[in-house]
Amino acid sequence: KQEVTQIPAALSVPEGENLVLNCSFTDSAIYNLQWFRQDPGKGLTSLLLIQSSQREQTSGRLNASLDKSSGRSTLYIAASQPGDSATYLCAVYPGANNLFFGTGTRLTVIP
Amino acid sequence: DAGVIQSPRHEVTEMGQEVTLRCKPISGHNSLFWYRQTMMRGLELLIYFNNNVPIDDSGMPEDRFSAKMPNASFSTLKIQPSEPRDSAVYFCASSLAGATGELFFGEGSRLTVL
Repeated sequence: KQEVTQIPAALSVPEGENLVLNCSFTDSAIYNLQWFRQDPGKGLTSLLLIQSSQREQTSGRLNASLDKSSGRSTLYIAASQPGDSATYLCAVYPGANNLFFGTGTRLTVIP
Repeated sequence: DAGVIQSPRHEVTEMGQEVTLRCKPISGHNSLFWYRQTMMRGLELLIYFNNNVPIDDSGMPEDRFSAKMPNASFSTLKIQPSEPRDSAVYFCASSLAGATGELFFGEGSRLTVL
């Protein structure tokens, strides 16, 4: 069974810093990987989707990379802002109509 | 588009009562997912519909849980009878292409069973 791990569980950084969130998965046979953001009491918002044939995707200050062979993905956030404070989850799709979610990294950006 | 709409946002009920959660997916999406989120277990897939047909319900905990999708714009998740261990946030999500495409989540229904 696919296992998805996100370390650290929580991260605090001062405003303006660049930061990297990590996601690792045990089975490299995936179709895609998605990064989501979840604000307290809210649903998940999709940030980036990387297909298995891609190595990275960019959206604004966000850049996600994928290394299938090593079972790793990173989400890079440039010039962090207090509004970036949220829980970030990664999810992998190995097929069979299910996403396997990590437990998330809770990010706090301190003004 | 209004996004995925779920109701109720909050539900508090007593053990043994029937609970019905509702979801309206994004218009045009052909796939619908019900997830449950708890602190202990994170996000778990309960059931997946494609074109209104249940494709995978292996995540449904037990016979007390049932889900229906009578048409492309409406789905329900029912728990009868409810138990305290069912307390969680239940999310509905929809997509254009199953789990291969981008998933759009509703804001969830927070269920508390006393």
